[in-house]
Amino acid sequence: NAGVTQTPKFQVLKTGQSMTLQCAQDMNHNSMYWYRQDPGMGLRLIYYSASEGTTDKGEVPNGYNVSRLNKREFSLRLESAAPSQTSVYFCASISRENEQFFGPGTRLTVL
Amino acid sequence: AQKITQTQPGMFVQEKEAVTLDCTYDTSDPSYGLFWYKQPSSGEMIFLIYQGSYDQQNATEGRYSLNFQKARKSANLVISASQLGDSAMYFCAMREAYNFNKFYFGSGTKLNVKP
Repeated sequence: NAGVTQTPKFQVLKTGQSMTLQCAQDMNHNSMYWYRQDPGMGLRLIYYSASEGTTDKGEVPNGYNVSRLNKREFSLRLESAAPSQTSVYFCASISRENEQFFGPGTRLTVL
Repeated sequence: AQKITQTQPGMFVQEKEAVTLDCTYDTSDPSYGLFWYKQPSSGEMIFLIYQGSYDQQNATEGRYSLNFQKARKSANLVISASQLGDSAMYFCAMREAYNFNKFYFGSGTKLNVKP
């Protein structure tokens, strides 16, 4: 039982490059989330998915797209990376008992 | 307006003592949930405790308890018998029933436990 896994753990991009962050959970949870955490701040919700096939914008969706490929996987795509997107990205899922499980995070630097 | 406010950027506590981390929230939704998370220096986010707005009793999980004062809109985390391993950032978060998938996080409190 791996919980929530994320790849990659680290990534450096140049401005304008694109990339996809992968996330998967093996706990059969319906809801999944993508957050970003900037230095000295709490998490801000980028997108979420309440169930397979549905996605919705969170607090800071601009510059991102997501795909809920199936119940397990929820990916985050940066089409044209900008320095303002330098951050740590966390994927999460939540159980019926309101316990939110997080992946280990992806540290992204955009030059 | 800020949905979640944590007014203590940093706190110190002596090992084995209890400590209270403050959290106030702002919502007009009668149904909501409150969460606390721990983030050690290694960076992972760890769920600690959950309190529903209609729960009659304060939530407890081991050494963690949530002091829920609905009228004051506060949801303080109490850690009893602090341990060195409790040194970390602690985040309070909320979600509202009208959109229960939207989580709002506070800016966090850095707790240092002194031996």
